Amino acid sequence: DAGVIQSPRHEVTEMGQEVTLRCKPISGHNSLFWYRQTMMRGLELLIYFNNNVPIDDSGMPEDRFSAKMPNASFSTLKIQPSEPRDSAVYFCASNIGGNSPLHFGNGTRLTVT
Amino acid sequence: AQSVTQLGSHVSVSEGALVLLRCNYSSSVPPYLFWYVQYPNQGLQLLLKYTTGATLVKGINGFEAEFKKSETSFHLTKPSAHMSDAAEYFCAVRGAFGNEKLTFGTGTRLTIIP
Repeated sequence: DAGVIQSPRHEVTEMGQEVTLRCKPISGHNSLFWYRQTMMRGLELLIYFNNNVPIDDSGMPEDRFSAKMPNASFSTLKIQPSEPRDSAVYFCASNIGGNSPLHFGNGTRLTVT
Repeated sequence: AQSVTQLGSHVSVSEGALVLLRCNYSSSVPPYLFWYVQYPNQGLQLLLKYTTGATLVKGINGFEAEFKKSETSFHLTKPSAHMSDAAEYFCAVRGAFGNEKLTFGTGTRLTIIP
């Protein structure tokens, strides 16, 4: 079990650039979650998918944010254009659904200058 | 809707002393409750969870938590702190019904004093 894999671990970009974060969930998990962690707001759920279908995207802050899950083994979170206030650690997590525990990746630390 | 409140953003205890991290929840339906731990530069890991049944739940690394419905609490304890327990701890709640989101508290950073 390789765990949830996120890439890149660190991303530094300039304001206005497009940023794409990637996530590979644990094989067999059918729910996938994107969280953002900041000092000010803690852990915020951005969006989650069940069987590759977006279920709740009410946490996505703006239209600049979009997420896709084209298949069961891959998801992306895109920010276009990026802004300094998007700087945060973005976590991907997966589970087998229901109340099973979430398994988190190690996160992507995004810095927008 | 559900929410959790973690009292104390920072807690310091001496090595070998009791660890007590507080969590109170609010839920309009029977709650499922969780504690997660985050070590530096890592994602969160599940420590323990309460869904139904026994109200005293034992987790990994010697931690346990007790669900007290009358107090709407789910405090995390460990009898004797170890240096390796230094981390950030998050309480989380989810409704027992439906496809509801897991809501996290703001976290408590635990420091262990040698």
